[in-house]
Amino acid sequence: SAVISQKPSRDICQRGTSLTIQCQVDSQVTMMFWYRQQPGQSLTLIATANQGSEATYESGFVIDKFPISRPNLTFSTLTVSNMSPEDSSIYLCSVDRLAYNEQFFGPGTRLTVL
Amino acid sequence: GESVGLHLPTLSVQEGDNSIINCAYSNSASDYFIWYKQESGKGPQFIIDIRSNMDKRQGQRVTVLLNKTVKHLSLQIAATQPGDSAVYFCAENMETGANNLFFGTGTRLTVIP
Repeated sequence: SAVISQKPSRDICQRGTSLTIQCQVDSQVTMMFWYRQQPGQSLTLIATANQGSEATYESGFVIDKFPISRPNLTFSTLTVSNMSPEDSSIYLCSVDRLAYNEQFFGPGTRLTVL
Repeated sequence: GESVGLHLPTLSVQEGDNSIINCAYSNSASDYFIWYKQESGKGPQFIIDIRSNMDKRQGQRVTVLLNKTVKHLSLQIAATQPGDSAVYFCAENMETGANNLFFGTGTRLTVIP
């Protein structure tokens, strides 16, 4: 399985500020994704992080609010911009190595916005 | 819109019994399904997957059944152990050949010692 780390593991932020979450994988992966998991809820896909091109966002998520970078095949960042308390969630990255037909998740970043 | 959903939000079983967690999906174009286990404070952990050209797949103590006729997916856990207590999610790719996943609501499994 892929080893995925996320930084920070948790943070408490003030309304109106921005936070960048990092996702690092121990091997090159084809696909990287970002999910949001609101308290007590299931996971919702935010976007697919594409290496070398703009991320592909799902309905309800926009680049201005959740800018994503993917500079190489092992690293991606998600920024939560102009935060409000409604952005308090766990943010998870996942990776898909096609040869393994499995999608692995990072440990998540628990964000609280005051 | 089309979605993945679960019949039961909570399930309690006695240690040693078998557990069955169910999931209904509505997108006939989905061709890949995964079950995940999520323990408190952790990311989802892959349990088992199945493709639409199969109707059953077995792993260690787990079996996934896929009934495409009624668009139903189930996860069976044999000899349930306290360590199996977690929230279980089914996920589907919603589009033939797609890699991104869409998750169901989740079922909390509690194993009673």
